[in-house]
Amino acid sequence: DQQVKQNSPSLSVQEGRISILNCDYTNSMFDYFLWYKKYPAEGPTFLISISSIKDKNEDGRFTVFLNKSAKHLSLHIVPSQPGDSAVYFCAASLNAGKSTFGDGTTLTVKP
Amino acid sequence: GAGVSQSPSNKVTEKGKDVELRCDPISGHTALYWYRQSLGQGLEFLIYFQGNSAPDKSGLPSDRFSAERTGGSVSTLTIQRTQQEDSAVYLCASSSEPGQGKTQYFGPGTRLLVL
Repeated sequence: DQQVKQNSPSLSVQEGRISILNCDYTNSMFDYFLWYKKYPAEGPTFLISISSIKDKNEDGRFTVFLNKSAKHLSLHIVPSQPGDSAVYFCAASLNAGKSTFGDGTTLTVKP
Repeated sequence: GAGVSQSPSNKVTEKGKDVELRCDPISGHTALYWYRQSLGQGLEFLIYFQGNSAPDKSGLPSDRFSAERTGGSVSTLTIQRTQQEDSAVYLCASSSEPGQGKTQYFGPGTRLLVL
């Protein structure tokens, strides 16, 4: 049973528009959520995180929203840039930083 | 460099052979994690170290997989009698200490192909 799901394997967005990446989880015990970005042939890099005590965290063009009742989080990128094209992984953490990852969503931002 | 490094970057081996994958974490980071990413899949947690001890080995897929960490630094992941389903990218990450809010910094991964 996959505890963290990213149901959209890919997303294509025009430069300057908003990108919305979604993630659902099943374990209500998760209390920390992260988004990572991964370019080909590189390891994932941390992007933004949110604690379960919050419902929104913003960092520049990136905002993460958490809806605990729906067990859903989303990453908004606005405005999207071609350099944002990458695979985005959602991760949920329970303790000691061990993270459970989704399968990733490939974002393509077209110029 | 100051980041997490892994070696080799690529490894091709024959079914049944043993392989060793190495991870050099960021200096001073006490927590070290191993993940595996199979083709088209997300990252699968394998094992986590705090210092030289491994409080959580729950993700190791079978007893063919083992890992150790020495001197609170370098870690090796060993896969014995490799199988074709072991083919994946093996990623190592480190953080300054374990726990929520501690960013994990990933290495570039080792791409393992078992023929």
